[in-house]
Amino acid sequence: GAGVSQSPSNKVTEKGKDVELRCDPISGHTALYWYRQSLGQGLEFLIYFQGNSAPDKSGLPSDRFSAERTGGSVSTLTIQRTQQEDSAVYLCASTPIRGAYNEQFFGPGTRLTVL
Amino acid sequence: SQQGEEDPQALSIQEGENATMNCSYKTSINNLQWYRQNSGRGLVHLILIRSNEREKHSGRLRVTLDTSKKSSSLLITASRAADTASYFCATDAVRSFQKLVFGTGTRLLVSP
Repeated sequence: GAGVSQSPSNKVTEKGKDVELRCDPISGHTALYWYRQSLGQGLEFLIYFQGNSAPDKSGLPSDRFSAERTGGSVSTLTIQRTQQEDSAVYLCASTPIRGAYNEQFFGPGTRLTVL
Repeated sequence: SQQGEEDPQALSIQEGENATMNCSYKTSINNLQWYRQNSGRGLVHLILIRSNEREKHSGRLRVTLDTSKKSSSLLITASRAADTASYFCATDAVRSFQKLVFGTGTRLLVSP
């Protein structure tokens, strides 16, 4: 595709339910990032995938959050037993790692609302 | 905590005026980038400045970097209503080569 795509664009769920958010990065981009942005705030790093290396999970806020990247392409962010504080926009970005230039290309985000 | 802190948090100007936003960060960096975000959704990369550069231009954008003060500024000249957006700085820390850390953002409103 032409850019990073994310689905769904909006998700409303009830507290305690599990949700899955999907990210399709730009073809050929080796690195993929997930961020969370609460209303009116900056971006909070969650997790980073680079090729076949072990992911950097240092930003995941709790063990209810997990992510996978299958075949080095599509990624799924899973939030188990959602809480109201999980409500935010979840943004995915990909980048073709090339030396020190790592401009990130962002998807449109998934707005998650936990009731 | 956030690596970058932008100031001001919000800026309101008239079309044609210049807008200046500042960013401060805490650790040594490889590079610093500025991004723009419309309507709370995906971000768009504007400009990247490396740690050994002091100033960079791209169209109506001018970015400066002062590594001794750990600060950067973004200047938008001759602003337009379409420049209304949130602007974020992001740093690529030396020990975290490929992981950007974003600041809290400046919300810019340009009135016609």
